[in-house]
Amino acid sequence: EIVLTQSPDFQSVTPKEKVTITCRASQSIDNKLHWYQQKPDQSPKLLIKYASQSLSGVPSRFSGSGSGTDFTLTINSLEAEDAATYYCHQSSSLPQTFGQGTKVEIK
Amino acid sequence: QVPLVESGGGVVRPGTSLRLSCAASIFTFSNYAMHWVRQAPGKGLEWVAIISHDGSDKYYADSVKGRFTISRDNSKNTLYLQMDSLRVEDTAVYFCARNDYQFRMGHDALDIWGQGTRVSVSS
Repeated sequence: EIVLTQSPDFQSVTPKEKVTITCRASQSIDNKLHWYQQKPDQSPKLLIKYASQSLSGVPSRFSGSGSGTDFTLTINSLEAEDAATYYCHQSSSLPQTFGQGTKVEIK
Repeated sequence: QVPLVESGGGVVRPGTSLRLSCAASIFTFSNYAMHWVRQAPGKGLEWVAIISHDGSDKYYADSVKGRFTISRDNSKNTLYLQMDSLRVEDTAVYFCARNDYQFRMGHDALDIWGQGTRVSVSS
């Protein structure tokens, strides 16, 4: 089973600040890494797929990068509505797995 | 219309069974592999199972293998999760989710999620 480790676990950020979340895989997963945003009492929402592919309807301040074992989700100019928990997810091999999550709080 | 709607959750005793359903609409259900993902209270996401678009392939997380069965009825646009021998640690919100690409078994993102159904296993 591929283990995904996110860092940090928690981040308290001021609006307009830049946020960087990393996700490290226990073995190479090529680019089969996806990012989700989950707000309290809501289902997860897909933000970025295949490490760096942006999605229609997702604000352009969200971007992703990386390949192999190291990946990054960047939120440029954080807004209050971005308060949420962010998860990475690998679909390279079964069983698919998720990172433990990174909670982003607005100061 | 909401694309995916789960139902069937509830409060049950350890060792008993429960069947969850996920009703799909708006998209061509029979073209997509489908997943179950769960989230224990206050915890992160845990992938549970996948079924291919035609139901011929299935795969499970080790934590549920031999106890849970994923299935689908494409004529009814419905995904199921039969949960047997339930344990306290199966307590979670269960989400169904769509595989991003048609006719592919895994290797993709989960692009549409239901709102979840809550399962509580307690003595």
